[in-house]
Amino acid sequence: EADIYQTPRYLVIGTGKKITLECSQTMGHDKMYWYQQDPGMELHLIHYSYGVNSTEKGDLSSESTVSRIRTEHFPLTLESARPSHTSQYLCASSEFGQNTEAFFGQGTRLTVV
Amino acid sequence: SQQGEEDPQALSIQEGENATMNCSYKTSINNLQWYRQNSGRGLVHLILIRSNEREKHSGRLRVTLDTSKKSSSLLITASRAADTASYFCATEYSGYSTLTFGKGTMLLVSP
Repeated sequence: EADIYQTPRYLVIGTGKKITLECSQTMGHDKMYWYQQDPGMELHLIHYSYGVNSTEKGDLSSESTVSRIRTEHFPLTLESARPSHTSQYLCASSEFGQNTEAFFGQGTRLTVV
Repeated sequence: SQQGEEDPQALSIQEGENATMNCSYKTSINNLQWYRQNSGRGLVHLILIRSNEREKHSGRLRVTLDTSKKSSSLLITASRAADTASYFCATEYSGYSTLTFGKGTMLLVSP
């Protein structure tokens, strides 16, 4: 079982609300990622980090923002949620360097109504 | 897009049969990885094969890599109902250290 945790597991919120999806890992990994996945579809990388104070945008444009103040914590924030943000958000982490496997959290399924 | 493509999109077999899934990608890679996802949950790493390797085994899993064809295959032998899941290939492209995932193959193993 991977030591990477996402909360909440499910979230239903109204349009215009600000939300933060939490992701924490206890493996001491430098690299962390956020992927967005619609049901039955591929994963799209939206944000990643190589370590504290490092954040980069991924391949898929996203209106969300991230921060990396502590190694173990990589929260994702939506300032104003819209129905188009409805999706599953997956957090992952890996050791620094190449040829390393990624460990995934269980995901947050977000529904914006 | 640099995303890989899995083939087939869906596969339905009986318990005890072998399941083969294929993945193609576009440019030079450091490695190719296979992940499994049970419905609505996170992904679990299955196996990593480096660009200088041609074949790798792990239990009932066999992965091959053909860099000249830019393709990989995942073979699951003697499938079980518990193998029912979506399987994704992910590539770490040369010069990058993030993973790019394909669209996945949905495998259904019937008892």
